[in-house]
Amino acid sequence: DAMVIQNPRYQVTQFGKPVTLSCSQTLNHNVMYWYQQKSSQAPKLLFHYYDKDFNNEADTPDNFQSRRPNTSFCFLDIRSPGLGDAAMYLCATSRDIMGGGDTQYFGPGTRLTVL
Amino acid sequence: KQEVTQIPAALSVPEGENLVLNCSFTDSAIYNLQWFRQDPGKGLTSLLLIQSSQREQTSGRLNASLDKSSGRSTLYIAASQPGDSATYLCAVKGSGAGSYQLTFGKGTKLSVIP
Repeated sequence: DAMVIQNPRYQVTQFGKPVTLSCSQTLNHNVMYWYQQKSSQAPKLLFHYYDKDFNNEADTPDNFQSRRPNTSFCFLDIRSPGLGDAAMYLCATSRDIMGGGDTQYFGPGTRLTVL
Repeated sequence: KQEVTQIPAALSVPEGENLVLNCSFTDSAIYNLQWFRQDPGKGLTSLLLIQSSQREQTSGRLNASLDKSSGRSTLYIAASQPGDSATYLCAVKGSGAGSYQLTFGKGTKLSVIP
């Protein structure tokens, strides 16, 4: 089945130790998104790629970076994780950005713990 | 800036009851409104998408309505089942320049008691 896959599902890192989260998709969608969701909070968009064009949200900390080496894969790099970065990280895809008929497909998420 | 509010934050109902979840948004310039389901520790699953020109969408026991002018949407769940227990999130997709992203509410946590 076509889907959005995230690895690992659970990640434990130490304060300040860089970590990379992975997302892959078999939907061949143009757009890939990274969201951060803290407990009982709404998902917060960090950034998205439209094809190879990177779009950063204005309030995304510099500590968060992303790479999209090809259509299928997208990575979230956290350069120096702090305790406040512990959260669920959700990857999503969509065919396009504009228009009303397009939904986003979400992966299962990666739960990040910072010790 | 778009804001999405969901009321109530949590809801507990006995099995078999019909229920309504509410969502409100502040900016009516939207492409669509979507309802998602999130199970504990999992990702989001799209339930219903209502485009801005539509008034409602139905899928099985779920019915979602949209009143764009008043900035409101409801998700109606008929004959609730324990398997419906989850958090339900509402999200709107903006149509203004530079605001094409989804803005989510915090969700309503639903518990259906057998």
